[in-house]
Amino acid sequence: SAVISQKPSRDICQRGTSLTIQCQVDSQVTMMFWYRQQPGQSLTLIATANQGSEATYESGFVIDKFPISRPNLTFSTLTVSNMSPEDSSIYLCSVEGSGGNIQYFGAGTRLSVL
Amino acid sequence: EDQVTQSPEALRLQEGESSSLNCSYTVSGLRGLFWYRQDPGKGPEFLFTLYSAGEEKEKERLKATLTKKESFLHITAPKPEDSATYLCAVHLSGGSYIPTFGRGTSLIVHP
Repeated sequence: SAVISQKPSRDICQRGTSLTIQCQVDSQVTMMFWYRQQPGQSLTLIATANQGSEATYESGFVIDKFPISRPNLTFSTLTVSNMSPEDSSIYLCSVEGSGGNIQYFGAGTRLSVL
Repeated sequence: EDQVTQSPEALRLQEGESSSLNCSYTVSGLRGLFWYRQDPGKGPEFLFTLYSAGEEKEKERLKATLTKKESFLHITAPKPEDSATYLCAVHLSGGSYIPTFGRGTSLIVHP
């Protein structure tokens, strides 16, 4: 298993500002994943972050809106840029287990945009 | 159209009242089906993986089963601490290594 620390746990932000979410893992991992979880909706993958390369974004998500950094094998950040109320959601970081397929998640960041 | 559909969306049970949650999927080439539990304010926590029809997994009061079209999460004699949202996810063979999640079933068990 993996222990994932994510911060902040929650924040309230003004429209037009940006928020950077941090994700720290207790072991080295190749891939880290960023998800969005909106009320009543399924977990939606935003992007996959590999160390040393550009993140791979899913359909509907773009780098200008959700820039991601992956400076080493235990850390990643997701920035939500130029926020609007539609960005209010829970953002989750996850990593894949050593056996593959199983995912381990951080506690999430609950974002509210006014 | 959702590839993974969970029902019911919400379920209220009395303590000790057994029931089942359903996860149906429309995809072909299933590589694995996963069940997660999510408590308020926390990320999903892995429960089970099922790989082939007929397979069953158990953990305490929970038992997961799999057919070719759906999976059930059976909860026997639930307790209030079983209250959580239960998420189902499918992993397709030959496709993305990222699982597709359902919307979840919110379970509340009353004492």
